[in-house]
Amino acid sequence: DTGVSQDPRHKITKRGQNVTFRCDPISEHNRLYWYRQTLGQGPEFLTYFQNEAQLEKSRLLSDRFSAERPKGSFSTLEIQRTEQGDSAMYLCASSPDRTYGYTFGSGTRLTVV
Amino acid sequence: GEDVEQSLFLSVREGDSSVINCTYTDSSSTYLYWYKQEPGAGLQLLTYIFSNMDMKQDQRLTVLLNKKDKHLSLRIADTQTGDSAIYFCAEPSAGGSYIPTFGRGTSLIVHP
Repeated sequence: DTGVSQDPRHKITKRGQNVTFRCDPISEHNRLYWYRQTLGQGPEFLTYFQNEAQLEKSRLLSDRFSAERPKGSFSTLEIQRTEQGDSAMYLCASSPDRTYGYTFGSGTRLTVV
Repeated sequence: GEDVEQSLFLSVREGDSSVINCTYTDSSSTYLYWYKQEPGAGLQLLTYIFSNMDMKQDQRLTVLLNKKDKHLSLRIADTQTGDSAIYFCAEPSAGGSYIPTFGRGTSLIVHP
């Protein structure tokens, strides 16, 4: 399968716990994006990487959020001290360049209880 | 900043045509996208159109672009129950990064 893979598909955590999500992009894509989607809303941009460099972060990405893309391959998104407002679908996408061809993964649904 | 607007719901009968509308704000957008999201799934790129085009047709899909009014539409001919999904319009962000910015999505419901 050469699509974008995200793991886990679902995560339930207690408020205050830390969670980490993983995204494996399409191997030849050098750009990787993280989005957050809440019910009834479109995806909201969080951050993106070009290879291993994190080039842009949204103001939505509070200091409890951190993302990495070591070696320019897979990426992880960590949320520390989760809050109920963090409950959402976290989507990862990759693209070969900045024009088109964005491919999304199926997302990780986070529920904070 | 960018702001993509869409109507939230559209209900059609199977076999009819569906037209989903979108307005965008950045007149310098070089291309615009339509994505489809089925329940519990990620987004699937349906089609895109370059800003130097007025229309693009791809099988049952027709995209119309009115740059003067910053209006984009997606027409689905012979709509099927399998077309029921949320449809998102997106434009690349300004400033050089070209990150897709999405509207809230239009929920298309197809009745048999």
